[in-house]
Amino acid sequence: RKEVEQDPGPFNVPEGATVAFNCTYSNSASQSFFWYRQDCRKEPKLLMSVYSSGNEDGRFTAQLNRASQYISLLIRDSKLSDSATYLCVVNPPTGGFKTIFGAGTRLFVKA
Amino acid sequence: GAVVSQHPSWVICKSGTSVKIECRSLDFQATTMFWYRQFPKQSLMLMATSNEGSKATYEQGVEKDKFLINHASLTLSTLTVTSAHPEDSSFYICSARTPAETDTQYFGPGTRLTVL
Repeated sequence: RKEVEQDPGPFNVPEGATVAFNCTYSNSASQSFFWYRQDCRKEPKLLMSVYSSGNEDGRFTAQLNRASQYISLLIRDSKLSDSATYLCVVNPPTGGFKTIFGAGTRLFVKA
Repeated sequence: GAVVSQHPSWVICKSGTSVKIECRSLDFQATTMFWYRQFPKQSLMLMATSNEGSKATYEQGVEKDKFLINHASLTLSTLTVTSAHPEDSSFYICSARTPAETDTQYFGPGTRLTVL
């Protein structure tokens, strides 16, 4: 089992749609979780952190379920500019440095 | 967020030559920087952790004599790909953590290396 697994893509959605990405992680002691966005041929950029209480930033909502070792990202009212690859990122237990990146889920938002 | 720069942004070289890539933290001091490699349609793979003033920690399968890392100051880490070959062609990305945000990594813009 991979340490971090994401939904296989690509997701093709029309503008205005709501889309959800899922991610599971294998190390139950993992400490922190993030969603990054990566545009083609560019570096990953932090989209948002993921907390047990859930967090929302505009059209984006992230959720963490520690019991199921599962995190999610919900994008509402998709825009063309949301087209990118979304990376699920998991940090190991405190003191470890090896951040684990998911393989990414590609999103295409079409007009 | 914190700013990390890389130089060069792209490089084309002949097989057998060495290429140096610089990673700088522009507005913070980074005691630890990370070097990743990303092949097309694949995720980032950690190559090594660069620690200021000490030897880098390499991931399994990464040749330390081929990928030389130097972290001589709190704002600069360099990766040198020695005797580059076409299979080394990839997107190399560095990242750093700020002292205040030990969980968050800020990435440089990446260096696209093409070895002919």
